Amino acid sequence: DQQVKQNSPSLSVQEGRISILNCDYTNSMFDYFLWYKKYPAEGPTFLISISSIKDKNEDGRFTVFLNKSAKHLSLHIVPSQPGDSAVYFCAASLGNYGQNFVFGPGTRLSVLP
Amino acid sequence: DSGVTQTPKHLITATGQRVTLRCSPRSGDLSVYWYQQSLDQGLQFLIQYYNGEERAKGNILERFSAQQFPDLHSELNLSSLELGDSALYFCASSVRGDNYGYTFGSGTRLTVV
Repeated sequence: DQQVKQNSPSLSVQEGRISILNCDYTNSMFDYFLWYKKYPAEGPTFLISISSIKDKNEDGRFTVFLNKSAKHLSLHIVPSQPGDSAVYFCAASLGNYGQNFVFGPGTRLSVLP
Repeated sequence: DSGVTQTPKHLITATGQRVTLRCSPRSGDLSVYWYQQSLDQGLQFLIQYYNGEERAKGNILERFSAQQFPDLHSELNLSSLELGDSALYFCASSVRGDNYGYTFGSGTRLTVV
């Protein structure tokens, strides 16, 4: 039973446009969410997080939106750059103090020049 | 370099064998997490240690075991290996109370033939 779902295995976007990556979760007790980016042959790296007390968090070109009632979050990348091409993992946890995270299966983003 | 060191980077072994994967956490991090990523799968949480003690267990097979030593490095032992155990094994570390999730190592790619 997948608690964190990323229903789009892949996404292609033109350089300069907006990339929107989606994530759904089933456990309403999750209260802390993160996005990780992974390049080939490297470990995932932290990108941005959001606590359930917020509905939006922004960091430069990256914005995460949380819709608690829909149990849905999304990552917006504007403008998209070729260097953003990677696999993006959504993760959720109960709290943000050393709890283990549940990861989604990932979405492979390709930003075309 | 994330500061989390995993060795070896690649490992090829035969079915039925036993291997040990090693992880050195980032300096100052007390928690170590092990994750498995099979082909086209998300990151599956295996086990967490905090300051030498097992803190949480995920979908870890009985053939697998782990430990964290006094110097905080951790080892993941995989025994009676099967073809399906072929995967990327990631170690991550964190400081308890870290709001930014984990720091991942670059992984060990295990191939069972």
